[in-house]
Amino acid sequence: QSVLTQPPSVSGAPGQRVTISCTGSTSNIGAGFDVHWYQKLPGTAPKVLIYGNTNRPSGVPDRFSGSKSGTSASLAITGLQAEDEADYYCQSYDSRLSASVFGGGTKLTVL
Amino acid sequence: EVQLVESGGGLVQPGGSLRLSCAASGFTFSNYAMSWVRQAPGKGLEWVSSISGGADNTFYADSVKGRFTVSRDNSKNILYLQTNSLRADDTALYYCAKGWKSYSFDYWGQGTLVTVSS
Repeated sequence: QSVLTQPPSVSGAPGQRVTISCTGSTSNIGAGFDVHWYQKLPGTAPKVLIYGNTNRPSGVPDRFSGSKSGTSASLAITGLQAEDEADYYCQSYDSRLSASVFGGGTKLTVL
Repeated sequence: EVQLVESGGGLVQPGGSLRLSCAASGFTFSNYAMSWVRQAPGKGLEWVSSISGGADNTFYADSVKGRFTVSRDNSKNILYLQTNSLRADDTALYYCAKGWKSYSFDYWGQGTLVTVSS
């Protein structure tokens, strides 16, 4: 059971918009700790997509955006492309556990 | 260009030990905290351990506390993870990553596979 809760799977057709939620608690996201998002393709290392809740590293398309409110955060992907099919993970810090924590991951399928 | 290259994984029997290494280049290694993150087969990412840039602070997940030890050699730009009393549920791909705590893990290695089996 992950400290941060993500839906196991989401799907969308090419060109559509999808969102992935990440729900935490008052000891992590709700305590004000930043949320970061990673994309993991099979056989490759995770890649940071969004850091500090809303910021995109250089090279990440602006189709990817992040938001945070209360004890939750979301990753939105617009203009879905086949290459977006991957696993997505949120990450934050938990003050009660004194640990970095990940969500369980969400598998995005592009129909 | 930042590069992180892990090594030291392999097949080990339950109760055995391995020392994982991560060679870093492309940044001032001693200025940055580093972490280990693992992914068991078919499972999600799990933070394992972190160490400050000066090696004066270390942190561990409850699942490995007392069995794993993180360290670093800033003169050689190498991060280590000593894994002892290994169990079957430690089987995973172990990644080293630049970053810790509430900061993002902004660079990752390709991982080294640890398999614990008799």
